Amino acid sequence: EIVLTQSPGTLSLSPGERATLSCRASQSVSSSYLAWYQQKPGQAPRLLIYGASSRATGIPDRFSGSGSGTDFTLTISRLEPEDFAVYYCQQYGSSPMFGQGTKVEIK
Amino acid sequence: EVQLVESGGGLVQPGRSLRLSCAASGFTFDDYAMHWVRQAPGKGLEWVSGISWNSGSIGYADSVKGRFTISRDNAKNSLYLQMNSLRAEDTALYYCASSGQVGAPFDYWGQGTLVTVSS
Repeated sequence: EIVLTQSPGTLSLSPGERATLSCRASQSVSSSYLAWYQQKPGQAPRLLIYGASSRATGIPDRFSGSGSGTDFTLTISRLEPEDFAVYYCQQYGSSPMFGQGTKVEIK
Repeated sequence: EVQLVESGGGLVQPGRSLRLSCAASGFTFDDYAMHWVRQAPGKGLEWVSGISWNSGSIGYADSVKGRFTISRDNAKNSLYLQMNSLRAEDTALYYCASSGQVGAPFDYWGQGTLVTVSS
């Protein structure tokens, strides 16, 4: 099975700063099957990015995804107050798997 | 408006069974694959099981294989998870989620139903 490792575990940043989140896979993942989700406390996850780099409906363009093979990145260009949350990467092939999450907290 | 509403959670003793339901509305249910994803208290997301639109393709996480059974009733726009031989480590918030097909991202999520396994 593919294991996804996210880093860092916690990212402490200020509003307006750039956030760079990493997701590394134990074996190559087709870019078509890599997604990112945002989860705020007490809420269900929300799809942000699919196909490694395509934004889901309604997602602001400050969110962008990149990468291929085993290394993927979610970038938030300028953090807004509502962006402080936990972010998960996911490979959604035949046996979906999530990374352990990165918490983006206010510095 | 897409809505996924889970129900059936609660407190159950180890070794007992529980059946979760997910009622879907606001989209063409039988066009979508469906999944169960769980989240233990304070932990990350774990995919539990998925089922294709016509029930022809079904998958389970190794942690639940042989104990959980996923099913759907397209006439009732409903998804189910039969959970047998429950263990303490099955304690979690269980979400249902939709995807365009097996092998597609999870685009809509319910708010979850809490399952607590404890004596």
